[in-house]
Amino acid sequence: KAGVTQTPRYLIKTRGQQVTLSCSPISGHRSVSWYQQTPGQGLQFLFEYFSETQRNKGNFPGRFSGRQFSNSRSEMNVSTLELGDSALYLCASSLSVGGPTEKLFFGSGTQLSVL
Amino acid sequence: GNSVTQMEGPVTLSEEAFLTINCTYTATGYPSLFWYVQYPGEGLQLLLKATKADDKGSNKGFEATYRKETTSFHLEKGSVQVSDSAVYFCALTSGGYQKVTFGIGTKLQVIP
Repeated sequence: KAGVTQTPRYLIKTRGQQVTLSCSPISGHRSVSWYQQTPGQGLQFLFEYFSETQRNKGNFPGRFSGRQFSNSRSEMNVSTLELGDSALYLCASSLSVGGPTEKLFFGSGTQLSVL
Repeated sequence: GNSVTQMEGPVTLSEEAFLTINCTYTATGYPSLFWYVQYPGEGLQLLLKATKADDKGSNKGFEATYRKETTSFHLEKGSVQVSDSAVYFCALTSGGYQKVTFGIGTKLQVIP
């Protein structure tokens, strides 16, 4: 069974540009969540989608947005990039039938560098 | 809001040494507690979890006990191996679906 797949693996952008990251969850998983990982802040929750609906959102500005498609694949978009957006962006999926005690399965992440 | 506190490290131990990584938390309600591990070049993976007070989670020789009275979930292993070198994250969920609050992560380096 394939794991969580994130593309691309690496991205280099300049300030002011926008970027779209993609995540394909494990087959059958309906919940996809996104996290930003930085050395100073650790892992911070961005948002979570379930059946194409955003169920939870973290404390990030509106420049960060996401969506989920009917096949559970998800994308996140960051507009007007800032230097501080440089981070590893992780996607995680779960069945999300049992609620918040369920195990998350993480992808390897997309490393975004903003110059 | 919810928060998780753990030492950042790095923690350097010799092979076969005893490991403790402390984790304390602040949360509303009755959180579920987790330890995730990130090996070099790999994604995070769940190591163990506990969903109610006094539960003990265990996996691969690692253990952690959910202590509600001290709001702690310390990770322990009796004898570490070089292959345990990784970053360990304490985490919790409370209330909302899959909104996980992580600690900063503790880097463990085990030397032969």
